[in-house]
Amino acid sequence: DQQVKQNSPSLSVQEGRISILNCDYTNSMFDYFLWYKKYPAEGPTFLISISSIKDKNEDGRFTVFLNKSAKHLSLHIVPSQPGDSAVYFCAAIAGGADGLTFGKGTHLIIQP
Amino acid sequence: NAGVTQTPKFRVLKTGQSMTLLCAQDMNHEYMYWYRQDPGMGLRLIHYSVGEGTTAKGEVPDGYNVSRLKKQNFLLGLESAAPSQTSVYFCASSALAGAGNEQFFGPGTRLTVL
Repeated sequence: DQQVKQNSPSLSVQEGRISILNCDYTNSMFDYFLWYKKYPAEGPTFLISISSIKDKNEDGRFTVFLNKSAKHLSLHIVPSQPGDSAVYFCAAIAGGADGLTFGKGTHLIIQP
Repeated sequence: NAGVTQTPKFRVLKTGQSMTLLCAQDMNHEYMYWYRQDPGMGLRLIHYSVGEGTTAKGEVPDGYNVSRLKKQNFLLGLESAAPSQTSVYFCASSALAGAGNEQFFGPGTRLTVL
């Protein structure tokens, strides 16, 4: 049973517009959420995170929103740039656990 | 500062052969992890270590063994490789566990088992 779901395998957005990537989770024990970005033939790199006690975290062009009641989080990228084209993974961790639980990823394509 | 490095980058094995993947980190992190990523899937945790001399099983540990003899190194072993172990393997490390657990990943090892 998938505990972290990214239901959009791919997303195409025009350069300069907003990209919104979505993630749903089922495990109510998750208390920390992370977004990773991955280019082909490279390892994932950490992008931004949010604790379950917050509903928003911002870092430059990247904002993550958390809706605990809906068990849903989203990553907003604005404005989108060509270098943002990559696969984005949503990940979560339950307090006290040691490993991350990942979604399947969303391939973001920024169109010029 | 190299971060997390993995050796080798690519490997092809025949069914039944054995091999060891090496992960090294220079950030003095306590926690280290091995994940595998299959096509169209997210990363899945194989084994992890919370410090030198310790190991623990993750979500998909069968067919793998690990060792953490030195704090900076984490080895993943396949004793008898099977085609189902064809995957990309990522090592990661972190300073903390739980909330605040930002893991740093290596570039990956692409393993094919024929």
